[in-house]
Amino acid sequence: DTGVSQDPRHKITKRGQNVTFRCDPISEHNRLYWYRQTLGQGPEFLTYFQNEAQLEKSRLLSDRFSAERPKGSFSTLEIQRTEQGDSAMYLCASSLGSALLNEKLFFGSGTQLSVL
Amino acid sequence: AQTVTQSQPEMSVQEAETVTLSCTYDTSESNYYLFWYKQPPSRQMILVIRQEAYKQQNATENRFSVNFQKAAKSFSLKISDSQLGDTAMYFCAFMKHGGNNDMRFGAGTRLTVKP
Repeated sequence: DTGVSQDPRHKITKRGQNVTFRCDPISEHNRLYWYRQTLGQGPEFLTYFQNEAQLEKSRLLSDRFSAERPKGSFSTLEIQRTEQGDSAMYLCASSLGSALLNEKLFFGSGTQLSVL
Repeated sequence: AQTVTQSQPEMSVQEAETVTLSCTYDTSESNYYLFWYKQPPSRQMILVIRQEAYKQQNATENRFSVNFQKAAKSFSLKISDSQLGDTAMYFCAFMKHGGNNDMRFGAGTRLTVKP
């Protein structure tokens, strides 16, 4: 068990460019979450997958954001036409079953995005 | 909508002493879950302790314990025998039972343990 892995750890991009982040959850975890965290704030929920199905999306997730989990394993989060306001830490988390049912939510170390 | 408030942006404690971090929340739900997460400089979020709202007994995990006051909507974290490795950001989080998997976090408290 190597934990939740996120790649890259840091990403610097110019405004208007597209970026893609990857998350590898703990193997056999069927639930995967994306959160965004800005400096001095707690994480904000973006979206959630159960296996390959994207079941919930926050209103924070504009049309420029898209997430996939094609085979129910790793997930990607793409941001198109990045804006300076997209600068944040993007955290991925996974769980086996529901975090509500005694299953813990395991977070990765995040991808720090800086939009210049 | 559920909100989580942590009123202490920063706290410090001497090594081996006890410190309490405050958290209040606002919800109309009767069944929900509360969590404390630790975020060290590595930025990884680590679950410290969780509490089910239907349980009256306060959760305890080794040196970490909570004081859950459901009527007051308060969920404080007590760290006993503080260690240097406890230095981190601590986030209080709320998740309602069933349906939405949206976990709501407070803004965090930066705890520094001094030698």
